[in-house]
Formats: sequence, structure tokens, C-alpha cells
Amino acid sequence: AQSVTQLGSHVSVSEGALVLLRCNYSSSVPPYLFWYVQYPNQGLQLLLKYTTGATLVKGINGFEAEFKKSETSFHLTKPSAHMSDAAEYFCAVAPDSGSARQLTFGSGTQLTVLP
Amino acid sequence: EAQVTQNPRYLITVTGKKLTVTCSQNMNHEYMSWYRQDPGLGLRQIYYSMNVEVTDKGDVPEGYKVSRKEKRNFPLILESPSPNQTSLYFCASGSHRAHYGYTFGSGTRLTVV
Repeated sequence: AQSVTQLGSHVSVSEGALVLLRCNYSSSVPPYLFWYVQYPNQGLQLLLKYTTGATLVKGINGFEAEFKKSETSFHLTKPSAHMSDAAEYFCAVAPDSGSARQLTFGSGTQLTVLP
Repeated sequence: EAQVTQNPRYLITVTGKKLTVTCSQNMNHEYMSWYRQDPGLGLRQIYYSMNVEVTDKGDVPEGYKVSRKEKRNFPLILESPSPNQTSLYFCASGSHRAHYGYTFGSGTRLTVV
């Protein structure tokens, strides 16, 4: 069975500061990893994904994440937070041999950006 | 524009009154799924469909029904809603392979009183 743990249900940063949202996963097989973002009153939008190849993945809006197999982590970062980054962020995992049915989401991290 | 369309966006209903939330996608995706989102619990899968006439239970299927008569539509049916089904619901579609990622609808906020 696979699972996802997002450390910190709420994270606050100042505008211009580094954003770091933590995600750890457990999977018995090599995983596919995803970050989704949910802006207020909207659905989830794919931010970035890791499937194979380069472990540092760049996504939309200046976000990136690094797959670290030894740490079973896939933390999301952005060098400088903008007010528009305020949203809820979800990490998700799927086994690389799995069907779409097997996508498992974390419980989410609410990011607040302070002026 | 490629999208998943859910209706309605907001719904308040009374206990026991049957309701249907519609979901339609225009991307010819084989896979469709329903999730509910509750504070602190993230997204939990209710039902999914790998293709027309193929549906299966997710993690929290009790109290829900679905059908997949056409590839583009995947309605969620609550035959006898109860207050514990008050939640935010999302429909998603995608390739049958998870690594392509999903497209989500804008959500339906359901309140059962």
C-alpha cells in the first residue's frame, strides 16, 4: 500500500521568502509523484510531476520539486513567494506500474503569504 | 477548451432527497473519478470508471452510486443523502495511466441538512 504524508497542514511565509512544502511518501514500488494546487473556489490544477529521469522537476509559476529516493521525499519549493501563491497544495503518489485508480493524495497544506 | 464541467457548483438539500451531480469532460478521456474533500482528510476517492460501462468502488463508496453510459459523462448519485455527506466534491478525468495526471472540475459544494 502507498501513502503520502504532508508535514504541516498550514504554512505561512512572508512575500519574497522561500516557500518549502514537505511531502514524504511510502510505496513498495518506484513511484510517480505529483503536486497539485487548489486556489480558492477552484478545482485542483497540476503543478508538476515526477515520472522518470531528472529528479529535479520544474513546474508552473516558478515552483520546483526534487525527488529524493533515499529520503522518500518530494518537497515543493519556490525561491520567492508571491501573494498569488496563497492556496492549498496537495502531494500525490501513484505506483509507476499502476492505473489511474491508484493515485493517493496527501491531506493538503494551506499556504498563506503575508505582506 | 479542454475541461471537466461539474454542475451544480453549490447545492443545499434535505436529508433523504435524491440528487445527482453531473460531470462531463471533452477530452475523450477513458478514466473518470469522483472525490470528496473534507478538512484535514485531503481527497478521498468515491468511485472511478476505467471506461464506458466499467465502474468500481474507491475508498469511500457508501451512500453513492455512479454510472458511465457515455464516455464523456460520469454522474454521481446520492439516493438518500445524509448530513455526513456534506462535503466538497470533485470530478476528475484522465488517461487510464496515472502518470499523465488528471484534469479536475471546479467542484460542487454540497450541504445536506
